[in-house]
Amino acid sequence: GAGVSQTPSNKVTEKGKYVELRCDPISGHTALYWYRQSLGQGPEFLIYFQGTGAADDSGLPNDRFFAVRPEGSVSTLKIQRTERGDSAVYLCASSATRDRVSSTEAFFGQGTRLTVV
Amino acid sequence: EDQVTQSPEALRLQEGESSSLNCSYTVSGLRGLFWYRQDPGKGPEFLFTLYSAGEEKEKERLKATLTKKESFLHITAPKPEDSATYLCAVQVERNDYKLSFGAGTTVTVRA
Repeated sequence: GAGVSQTPSNKVTEKGKYVELRCDPISGHTALYWYRQSLGQGPEFLIYFQGTGAADDSGLPNDRFFAVRPEGSVSTLKIQRTERGDSAVYLCASSATRDRVSSTEAFFGQGTRLTVV
Repeated sequence: EDQVTQSPEALRLQEGESSSLNCSYTVSGLRGLFWYRQDPGKGPEFLFTLYSAGEEKEKERLKATLTKKESFLHITAPKPEDSATYLCAVQVERNDYKLSFGAGTTVTVRA
């Protein structure tokens, strides 16, 4: 597709339920990122994939959060036993492989708004 | 710890009234400073990357500048369509894939 696509756009779930959020990156982009944005704040880093492997998952808040990218393209963010504090907009971004000279800008999707009730 | 602070939190402008947004940062080993625009209900949209002090970049009515401690986003003769939240982010050498964002400045331009 032309841009980063995230589904669903909105998700309302009950406390304690399991949710999956999907991200389709720009075709050919090897790097993929997940960020979380709370109201009135900037996005916060969660996890970074280079290809199929998670190169840095230090931003995941706890072990209820997990993300996969099995074929190096589509990624799924999984949240177990959701809590009300998990409510936020979850943003996915992708970028082309960077050289060591310059940073390659990340292109963001429109986000998934997760509401835990 | 890397810190990024944006000011003001909100800015209301009359159409044509030029102004500047500030992004101050405290990091070790800056690799790049990024400006993004975010419209309500949308993801951030890339505007600029600045790499070294003294660098400037322009796009339409926007100009971004960088010093060793801060960056400014200048909006010249703004139009209502410039209304958005502007986010600043830094990337550092030790993990040059991660963006650390400020909280943003919400700009409203009245016709």
